[in-house]
Amino acid sequence: QKEVEQNSGPLSVPEGAIASLNCTYSDRGSQSFFWYRQYSGKSPELIMFIYSNGDKEDGRFTAQLNKASQYVSLLIRDSQPSDSATYLCAVNRGAQKLVFGQGTRLTINP
Amino acid sequence: EAQVTQNPRYLITVTGKKLTVTCSQNMNHEYMSWYRQDPGLGLRQIYYSMNVEVTDKGDVPEGYKVSRKEKRNFPLILESPSPNQTSLYFCASSFSRGYSNQPQHFGDGTRLSIL
Repeated sequence: QKEVEQNSGPLSVPEGAIASLNCTYSDRGSQSFFWYRQYSGKSPELIMFIYSNGDKEDGRFTAQLNKASQYVSLLIRDSQPSDSATYLCAVNRGAQKLVFGQGTRLTINP
Repeated sequence: EAQVTQNPRYLITVTGKKLTVTCSQNMNHEYMSWYRQDPGLGLRQIYYSMNVEVTDKGDVPEGYKVSRKEKRNFPLILESPSPNQTSLYFCASSFSRGYSNQPQHFGDGTRLSIL
């Protein structure tokens, strides 16, 4: 089992709809969870981070964390073509080690 | 402007020729890290540093060296590069506060080809 697992996609969503990206992790001791967006050939860009169970909202983005189920998700509301990218889930392993999932490729169709 | 700067952005070189990829940040971050990104394997951590003179191995440290003599700089050294080190490399930095990781800021990447 991989430490951080994501569905590689591609995930195709119509413009204006909600995109739902999921990530599971294996280390129950993990405390920090991040979502990064990466356009092709570019560097990862932080979208959201969450430390506590529940939801965290920032504009069109909502991160959801369920530590009991070892599950973290990212919702993108009112999806735009500019949201088309690969989304990376990252989870800490111990102090200051970060483990990334392989990423989910998201395509927003106009 | 807050940023992480990597140089060079692109490099084509030959097996065995020592090279250094520099990384510098202007945000006074304690924590710095190097990753490589390969198709199908995602981002994997090579080395990280909690502060000056404090470095530790990540998941794929073989064939790499690092140093942290100054807070702002964290160079990645390939003493004898081999073709399997052809990859896209990213440097990242963040504040270091307690147990929880802080969000990391990434450089623009270095595309390295070893022939």
